[in-house]
Amino acid sequence: NAGVTQTPKFRILKIGQSMTLQCTQDMNHNYMYWYRQDPGMGLKLIYYSVGAGITDKGEVPNGYNVSRSTTEDFPLRLELAAPSQTSVYFCASSFGLAGGQALFFGEGSRLTVL
Amino acid sequence: QQPVQSPQAVILREGEDAVINCSSSKALYSVHWYRQKHGEAPVFLMILLKGGEQKGHEKISASFNEKKQQSSLYLTASQLSYSGTYFCGTDTGGFKTIFGAGTRLFVKA
Repeated sequence: NAGVTQTPKFRILKIGQSMTLQCTQDMNHNYMYWYRQDPGMGLKLIYYSVGAGITDKGEVPNGYNVSRSTTEDFPLRLELAAPSQTSVYFCASSFGLAGGQALFFGEGSRLTVL
Repeated sequence: QQPVQSPQAVILREGEDAVINCSSSKALYSVHWYRQKHGEAPVFLMILLKGGEQKGHEKISASFNEKKQQSSLYLTASQLSYSGTYFCGTDTGGFKTIFGAGTRLFVKA
């Protein structure tokens, strides 16, 4: 089983450029999440989705956009990249049933903005 | 609001025990615990639902005090493989898990 797959694994952007981080899961999970993790820090929630067509903001949504057109895919769009967006981005998914469920994480996408 | 973890870091010798605490200012529906090795993704350890239950997996267990909005992770007879950063994630009922800043655990031989 592939689980949660993220692409690309590494990317360098110039200030002002845009890009999309791809995330796909094959576990038929309803809930999907994007977190960012700065060096030596914890995980900050950017956006999350409870199903296709439904998304909501997390703790640090500014500078990002998401969409959820299918159950499997949850891409994260960075518009006008800034050095402050240099981070490791993790996509995660869960069943999302009452009481919460375990988050399954992808391997991460390491982004550097210069 | 981000839960508070303590301590920030722990250094142990093999075989020693450790306790990591997680507290929230909001009423919690569930608490998750994860371990992250350097350069890797976080890995789920266990989840505790409101009701004050305690869970265990081999030598790692956790408790959840719903009234105090606190959870503790207990690592007994630590092994070298326990080294990493431990995160608690809290859910206040909206299905978005918010993580603490993490506790770095280093186990030496």
